[in-house]
Amino acid sequence: EAGVAQSPRYKIIEKRQSVAFWCNPISGHATLYWYQQILGQGPKLLIQFQNNGVVDDSQLPKDRFSAERLKGVDSTLKIQPAKLEDSAVYLCASRPRGLAGLTDTQYFGPGTRLTVL
Amino acid sequence: KQEVTQIPAALSVPEGENLVLNCSFTDSAIYNLQWFRQDPGKGLTSLLLIQSSQREQTSGRLNASLDKSSGRSTLYIAASQPGDSATYLCAVRGSGGGADGLTFGKGTHLIIQP
Repeated sequence: EAGVAQSPRYKIIEKRQSVAFWCNPISGHATLYWYQQILGQGPKLLIQFQNNGVVDDSQLPKDRFSAERLKGVDSTLKIQPAKLEDSAVYLCASRPRGLAGLTDTQYFGPGTRLTVL
Repeated sequence: KQEVTQIPAALSVPEGENLVLNCSFTDSAIYNLQWFRQDPGKGLTSLLLIQSSQREQTSGRLNASLDKSSGRSTLYIAASQPGDSATYLCAVRGSGGGADGLTFGKGTHLIIQP
C-alpha cells in the first residue's frame, strides 16, 4: 500500500512570496490533516478535512494560510505572503474513516521543508 | 487547552541499556495516546497507540503505559540498539468528537551509543 505522498520535499523562498504544498493521502482515507512542525517543536495541527469539508481550522492563520481538498482526495496548502516565522516542515497525514482501534492511527507523509529567507 | 510535555528533551545512553521516556498531559479527557518515532528528513511512524480505556500496549521491545487520571504515559525501550536513535514524540487525541487532530509534545531526542 502506497503511503502519504507530499511534494515538493524542499522549498526555499523569499519573504512575502507565495508557496503551495501538495498532499496525496492513502487511497480511501477520508480524513486528511495538515500539521506545521517548527524546528525543535512537536507538530501543530493547522487544519483537518473530512472528505472535502473542513472539520477544524481553528489554528490556521487565515490571513495568510489557505487550504483546500477538492473532490475529497488530494489537498493543497498555500501561504501568501510568507513570513520568516513560517519556516518549518509541513506534514500531511491521513486516516481512514472507521471505528476506534487500528483505524485511529494517522499515517504521515515525509513532509515539505520550507525555508523563508 | 491541552498541553503535552515530554521529559527528558534529550537522552544519550550506551547500547543495551533499558530506558524510559516520559510524557504528561494537562487534560485527562483524551480519546487515545500515541507514541511516534521521527527520523531526520522523514515523516512520523506510529509505534504504539493506547486507547483511553487501556493501561498499556506492547510491541517487541517497546512497552507504553497510560495513567489517564494522572495525565501520564511512559515509553519503555528494552535492550536499546543504535537503530533506536531518533526523536520520540508523544501525542494525545482529544475526546471532542469529529475534530481529532493530535496534540504533540516537543519530543525526546534519543541517541544510543554503539
